[in-house]
Amino acid sequence: ETGVTQTPRHLVMGMTNKKSLKCEQHLGHNAMYWYKQSAKKPLELMFVYSLEERVENNSVPSRFSPECPNSSHLFLHLHTLQPEDSALYLCASSQSRVNQPQHFGDGTRLSIL
Amino acid sequence: DQQVKQNSPSLSVQEGRISILNCDYTNSMFDYFLWYKKYPAEGPTFLISISSIKDKNEDGRFTVFLNKSAKHLSLHIVPSQPGDSAVYFCAASAGANDMRFGAGTRLTVKP
Repeated sequence: ETGVTQTPRHLVMGMTNKKSLKCEQHLGHNAMYWYKQSAKKPLELMFVYSLEERVENNSVPSRFSPECPNSSHLFLHLHTLQPEDSALYLCASSQSRVNQPQHFGDGTRLSIL
Repeated sequence: DQQVKQNSPSLSVQEGRISILNCDYTNSMFDYFLWYKKYPAEGPTFLISISSIKDKNEDGRFTVFLNKSAKHLSLHIVPSQPGDSAVYFCAASAGANDMRFGAGTRLTVKP
């Protein structure tokens, strides 16, 4: 298996649920990212990890909690989400954080009831 | 504050003709620019990039042009093929931890 894999592809949850999104990259990259894409809006960078260390948190609410246990895996833990959090969540990886293209997974479509 | 703008939400061209997708940016600190293509139900796929020290980069049918004085980026696809029909995103970076995307342009190539 190659590339960037995200699971699940679709997730429906209530506002009081706790769930996690998973991302795995098989490219040997050192940096991983979480993005949010809401309808009709550009991709928004949420978190950046470099060599398993979080290096960026773009004012994301604390109900989103990332975790990077190793350079190949990235999680986004979700709890007490709001309806406006319904969006496509994309994971990406790159060789380094500077001037390198990012390779994206196919995303998780999240719907909050 | 949208620093990368794609003002045309859609573009339609005939197969075999040139497709020109445009992108404007406001941040003069951007030094690395990329184009991505996205098919429905898939993540964006990297197409081509250009550093701010260049004004043109070519890869097969795809050429990216950068006009720093106008803060303008364009992607030329020639000849266009039906399989090129997708949403195209431009992106720009000012260094580590920073990647800004445009809202995308939907390209339709008609047979």
